Amino acid sequence: NAGVMQNPRHLVRRRGQEARLRCSPMKGHSHVYWYRQLPEEGLKFMVYLQKENIIDESGMPKERFSAEFPKEGPSILRIQQVVRGDSAAYFCASSPVAGEETQYFGPGTRLLVL
Amino acid sequence: SQKIEQNSEALNIQEGKTATLTCNYTNYSPAYLQWYRQDPGRGPVFLLLIRENEKEKRKERLKVTFDTTLKQSLFHITASQPADSATYLCARGTGFQKLVFGTGTRLLVSP
Repeated sequence: NAGVMQNPRHLVRRRGQEARLRCSPMKGHSHVYWYRQLPEEGLKFMVYLQKENIIDESGMPKERFSAEFPKEGPSILRIQQVVRGDSAAYFCASSPVAGEETQYFGPGTRLLVL
Repeated sequence: SQKIEQNSEALNIQEGKTATLTCNYTNYSPAYLQWYRQDPGRGPVFLLLIRENEKEKRKERLKVTFDTTLKQSLFHITASQPADSATYLCARGTGFQKLVFGTGTRLLVSP
């Protein structure tokens, strides 16, 4: 059973470009969470999605950031017009059902904005 | 605010000793706490979950305690090995199960 997959593992963008981060949850998991880890800081929750629904986006910056989890395909975290402060590691986690406390994390995407 | 606090200083111990890491929480009572391990360049890996009505939980060389009076969880690794060197994260669940993490404590086990 493959774990949570994220791609790309590393992404370099210039200021003003768009970044698209993909997450395929574990098989059978329909709940996806995105977290951001800035250098020397802890993981911070961004958004929680179920298939075709955003359940909680309280940690997502109001501008430039969006997330989706379509009926088919991976979850996408999209950052428009990236700035240097967006440089971080972005982790996706999944769980099988609501109320399942344990989350299974992917390897992360390291975004570097030049 | 509802915080999770971990000692940000690295913990250095010798192989074979017991490592003890601390997680403190303030201003709330979490229903459970989780411990994860994170290696450089990798995602966190779940280790143990302990609920507020559980005093202690064990898994192989790992032991977690939960003291609701002290508002603290302790994470122990017995007979530590260099391969245990990593950053250990404490987390609490919230509504909709999003996790709030501490900043983590880096453990270095010397041979």
